[in-house]
Formats: sequence, C-alpha cells, structure tokens
Amino acid sequence: AQTVTQSQPEMSVQEAETVTLSCTYDTSESDYYLFWYKQPPSRQMILVIRQEAYKQQNATENRFSVNFQKAAKSFSLKISDSQLGDAAMYFCAYRRGYNFNKFYFGSGTKLNVKP
Amino acid sequence: EPEVTQTPSHQVTQMGQEVILRCVPISNHLYFYWYRQILGQKVEFLVSFYNNEISEKSEIFDDQFSVERPDGSNFTLKIRSTKLEDSAMYFCASRGDRGDPNQPQHFGDGTRLSIL
Repeated sequence: AQTVTQSQPEMSVQEAETVTLSCTYDTSESDYYLFWYKQPPSRQMILVIRQEAYKQQNATENRFSVNFQKAAKSFSLKISDSQLGDAAMYFCAYRRGYNFNKFYFGSGTKLNVKP
Repeated sequence: EPEVTQTPSHQVTQMGQEVILRCVPISNHLYFYWYRQILGQKVEFLVSFYNNEISEKSEIFDDQFSVERPDGSNFTLKIRSTKLEDSAMYFCASRGDRGDPNQPQHFGDGTRLSIL
C-alpha cells in the first residue's frame, strides 16, 4: 500500500532563510509522481512543485526545489529566501503512474515564517 | 486565473440528515475529484469522476456517498444519512486535458461540514 509520511507537524523559519520540509513515502511501484502542495489559511491547495520518479534531476521552481532520493524513498522540499507569504500548511503527495488519478497525501507540515 | 469554487464554505447539519456539497470545477476541465480532511488528519481521496461516471473510489466512499454532475457545470457530493464522523473539510478538485494526467489538480477552498 502506498503511504506518505511527513514527520514534522510544524516548523519555523526566519524570513530570508532557507528551510527544508521532509517527506518519505512507501511504494512498490516504479512509475509514480510526487508533489508538494501548499495550503494557505485561505484553504485552497496550490501545487508548488512536481517530480516524476523516472527523472533523476531534482525539480526546481523558482525558490522551491526538491531533493528526490528514489532509493531512500525520500522527497524533501527546500524553500530558499523564505517569505512571509510562504507561511502555510505544506502537503506532500504521491500518485501512481500515468493513468491513475488517486492522490495519497501526507499529514502536512505547518510552516511559520518569522519576520 | 480560473478557480474551482465550492459552496457553502461551512455547512452545519443534524446527524441523519442528507447533505449536498457543491462544486463548480474549472470550465474546460474533464476530471473531477472529492477529498476530505478530518480535523488534524491527512487529506484523503474519496472519488474521481470522468465522462459522467466514477473512475476510481476509495474504501471511504461507500453507499452513503454519491456524486453527480447534474448540469455540465456543477459537480456535487451527496452524503445520505450523515454521521458524526463525516465532520470534515471536503475539497473538490478538477483537472483538464484528457491526454495528459500530469496536468495538476486544481483545488477549491473546501466546505467545512459539521455534523451535530
């Protein structure tokens, strides 16, 4: 069964500093996708970044980057130059390969950004 | 930018009553989803819907639940005979482009359902 684990319920970072959010997952599949979603207090979940398992290169999206360790089944999110607007719940999510719809979410990490 | 909209934002219902949660997906999207998030717990997949039928559902989505796309714009989740444990935040999501499942799911703001 696929599971996604986020072991950090809450983290804090100083504005302009860098923070890393951890995520591990369990799967027997070789083809899958990993995602980080951000859920601000306004509640709408927004896709932050996506990683295809078959790609060795870590995905990057502006100040957001991932460290994808396939063998270790680890998928951490690094936020550089943290901004106040980054404060939110962050969910790691897993989806099986190309033709599957179902997402498996982690329990979330609440990120606080201190001015 | 187009958004997924959900109404109401908060629904309070007596246990045993039926409730309908409404969603308006992004207009050209073809795949629709419902998720729920019980307070303090992770987001859980309920059901996906494509071409006017359920394409996948979780073990949570039992006979108490049903989905419908009644008029080509709304996508509804009906919960019959609600239970206390149905209290949760319910998220609707939609995705476009039948040719590319890598298109991201767009989520609505959610409806908080409180069962009394």
